Amino acid sequence: EDQVTQSPEALRLQEGESSSLNCSYTVSGLRGLFWYRQDPGKGPEFLFTLYSAGEEKEKERLKATLTKKESFLHITAPKPEDSATYLCAVHKGAQKLVFGQGTRLTINP
Amino acid sequence: DADVTQTPRNRITKTGKRIMLECSQTKGHDRMYWYRQDPGLGLRLIYYSFDVKDINKGEISDGYSVSRQAQAKFSLSLESAIPNQTALYFCATSAETSGRIEFGPGTRLTVT
Repeated sequence: EDQVTQSPEALRLQEGESSSLNCSYTVSGLRGLFWYRQDPGKGPEFLFTLYSAGEEKEKERLKATLTKKESFLHITAPKPEDSATYLCAVHKGAQKLVFGQGTRLTINP
Repeated sequence: DADVTQTPRNRITKTGKRIMLECSQTKGHDRMYWYRQDPGLGLRLIYYSFDVKDINKGEISDGYSVSRQAQAKFSLSLESAIPNQTALYFCATSAETSGRIEFGPGTRLTVT
């Protein structure tokens, strides 16, 4: 069965304290891995797509990496405005995404 | 103007009532989706449509139906609402080639 597991469920950091979020997956026929950011009461906002092991994408303080079994979202020197829930999802064809449960990130000033 | 709009944004209804959630998009995408989000369960696919004449069930379609009225419009109906359908509902769209799905702002539905 296809599974996407994110860890930790919640993470609290001080402003400037770098860390990483994990997304591990067991999916046959992976065609892409997506990262989204979701603010409370809003729809998920697209961040990155990764297609193959070894690929990396960066946007401001965020960097996403991909291996054959997991993806990491690295957050460097985060700011309070980076507080959100981060979702990963795997694309396994027919443009259907299987989502993880998300990591709720809080950055304290 | 938002690319994907959902109406209503919030709705409280009673058990047994029929309710329709509407979605429209200006992105010109052929593919549209309805997802449900529950705390601890993540986003789950209810229905999806790849064009006006194509409707497919997702992983949790029981108790729901959809209608693709036009390329830009995709509505979700609950024929007889029940309390465990209380959730946040998202409409989403994608272009055929990208795989990337873009979400609307969501509808918060409460069934009492």
